[in-house]
Amino acid sequence: EIVLTQSPGTLSLSPGERATLSCRASQSIYSNYLAWYQQKPGQAPRLLIYDSIARATGTPDRISGSGSGTDFTLTISSLEPEDSAVYYCQQYGSSSSFGQGTRLDVK
Amino acid sequence: QGQLVQSAAELKKPGSSVKVSCKASGGSFRTTALSWVRQAPGQGPEWVGGVIPMFDMSNYAQKFQGRVTITADDSTRTVFMELRSLTSEDTAVYYCARGSPSIAPTGSPYYKALDVWGQGTTVIVSS
Repeated sequence: EIVLTQSPGTLSLSPGERATLSCRASQSIYSNYLAWYQQKPGQAPRLLIYDSIARATGTPDRISGSGSGTDFTLTISSLEPEDSAVYYCQQYGSSSSFGQGTRLDVK
Repeated sequence: QGQLVQSAAELKKPGSSVKVSCKASGGSFRTTALSWVRQAPGQGPEWVGGVIPMFDMSNYAQKFQGRVTITADDSTRTVFMELRSLTSEDTAVYYCARGSPSIAPTGSPYYKALDVWGQGTTVIVSS
């Protein structure tokens, strides 16, 4: 099973700043089949990015994904308080697995 | 874009089984890949397995092999997940979620990114 390690565990930033979240895989992910999700308390995860770089419907263009192989990044520019949430990466190139999450606090 | 509506919460005894359902509306049912993902309290999501009705194929995470069965009923557009031999560690919110399927040249399926999620079903395992 591919293990995904996310860093940092928690990120505290101010509105208007840029957030950089990392997701590292234990082995190369086939076809860069990696997604990013946002989850707020009491809600299901919401898809933001798929296939490493493609924005899902409704994802604003200040949110972007990059990376390939084993190293992937989610970047959120011009942070807003509503971006406060836990962010998870998921690989689906070999079965499927999720990272443990990065908590982002914007205030 | 479609919607997924799941069955109600369950309270189960250790050693018993639970069967959770997920009814899909909108879009094509047969050409989607429907996954089950669980999330224990305070933990990240965990992929349990999925079904691709078009290929009549079910696939499971290695951790759950032999203990879970995922099926699809085309006539009612409903997916089911049965988990057996429950322990307290199975206490979690169980989500069904929809993605696009893909098949590798080897015949292995890919359950691609999950763009529609159900509301979640809480399963509590307690004596």
